[in-house]
Amino acid sequence: QVQLVQSGAEVKKPGASLKVSCKASGYIFSHYYMHWFREAPGQGLEWMGIIKTEGGDTTYPQKFQGRLTMTRDTSTRTVYMELSSLSSEDTAVYYCARENDAFDFWGHGTLVTVSS
Amino acid sequence: QAGLTQPPSVSKDLRQTATLSCTGNSNNVGNQGAAWLQHHQGHPPKLLSYRTGNRPSGISERFSPSRSGNTASLTITGLQPEDEADYYCSAWDSSLSTWVFGGGTKVTVL
Repeated sequence: QVQLVQSGAEVKKPGASLKVSCKASGYIFSHYYMHWFREAPGQGLEWMGIIKTEGGDTTYPQKFQGRLTMTRDTSTRTVYMELSSLSSEDTAVYYCARENDAFDFWGHGTLVTVSS
Repeated sequence: QAGLTQPPSVSKDLRQTATLSCTGNSNNVGNQGAAWLQHHQGHPPKLLSYRTGNRPSGISERFSPSRSGNTASLTITGLQPEDEADYYCSAWDSSLSTWVFGGGTKVTVL
């Protein structure tokens, strides 16, 4: 069965960087794009971008350009989301999601807390 | 960030019917339809329907997607307490070459 397993919760200081992983199983990794979302406290879902798992091409909304990097390791079927220059506004639950006409499978979420 | 327009909230009585709307344009919803997600706080979102209007396996028939022109709708019949959640629509925008999203509708079951 399809599973997306994310790395564990993290606590970061302002200005630090964050790297969250999402390991896929149960399907052909390179056949589906992967997206990242986040949900900040009291806010709705926010789309963070996409990585094409076959070639590694990425697209990010302008809001995150310059401090967001998505990568993938096809040998381990894992995608990574790295966010730099963290502030308290980056405190959120981060999700990876597989694209299959829509977002059909989701990771369990990674809680990231940014606090001094 | 929201490129699609959803009402922020809908409240209906238990066992009643709620219809949620999602308005875009001819480049997104009007082109290839919209997908619907259900999100309970603290849990991963769940896909309720694909852009084609098909439901994934295991999704109740009480959730019925439809589309008219540039507006997609999700009708929830026989509202249950567990249907209280946030509902998001999403669509591929062929002009922007990116996914666009609604801001979400919070459904309250009275």
